[in-house]
Amino acid sequence: EDQVTQSPEALRLQEGESSSLNCSYTVSGLRGLFWYRQDPGKGPEFLFTLYSAGEEKEKERLKATLTKKESFLHITAPKPEDSATYLCAGGSQGNLIFGKGTKLSVKP
Amino acid sequence: GAVVSQHPSRVICKSGTSVKIECRSLDFQATTMFWYRQFPKQSLMLMATSNEGSKATYEQGVEKDKFLINHASLTLSTLTVTSAHPEDSSFYICSASQHGRSGGYTFGSGTRLTVV
Repeated sequence: EDQVTQSPEALRLQEGESSSLNCSYTVSGLRGLFWYRQDPGKGPEFLFTLYSAGEEKEKERLKATLTKKESFLHITAPKPEDSATYLCAGGSQGNLIFGKGTKLSVKP
Repeated sequence: GAVVSQHPSRVICKSGTSVKIECRSLDFQATTMFWYRQFPKQSLMLMATSNEGSKATYEQGVEKDKFLINHASLTLSTLTVTSAHPEDSSFYICSASQHGRSGGYTFGSGTRLTVV
């Protein structure tokens, strides 16, 4: 069964304290590993798509990496405005299989 | 970039009534649209997939007679929750796909449905 598991469920950081979010996946016929940011009461906002193991993508303080079984979202020197839920999803046969997300809180 | 507009953002309705949610792709033609449901602290659960001009494909356990999906054009899909009950209260999110685009799934802002 296709599955995407994210850890930790919640993460509290001090401003400037770097960390990583994990996404483990077992998705048959994976067609892309997606990262989204979701703010409360809003729809997911696209961050990255990774297609092959070893691929890395960066955007401001965020860097996403991909292996054959996992993806990591690295957050370098986070700011309070980075607080949100980060969702990971595996693309398969035209739709997305989502994890439950990691709720990130960054305190000033 | 691609924008998907979803309306309304919030709706409160009485039990037994029907509610329609609209999802529009504003600057691209969406070959496929998806409807998700999200409960608090849970992941987005795919309800159905629709392609323009054809019937929607519903996920297992989703009642197609209760959640009516219409995708009449390449820029508009609607979800109608019929005879709503309190257990239908949830956050509904649409997504539109434009084949060939990197990160080609764009999400609407979601609709918070409360059935009283």
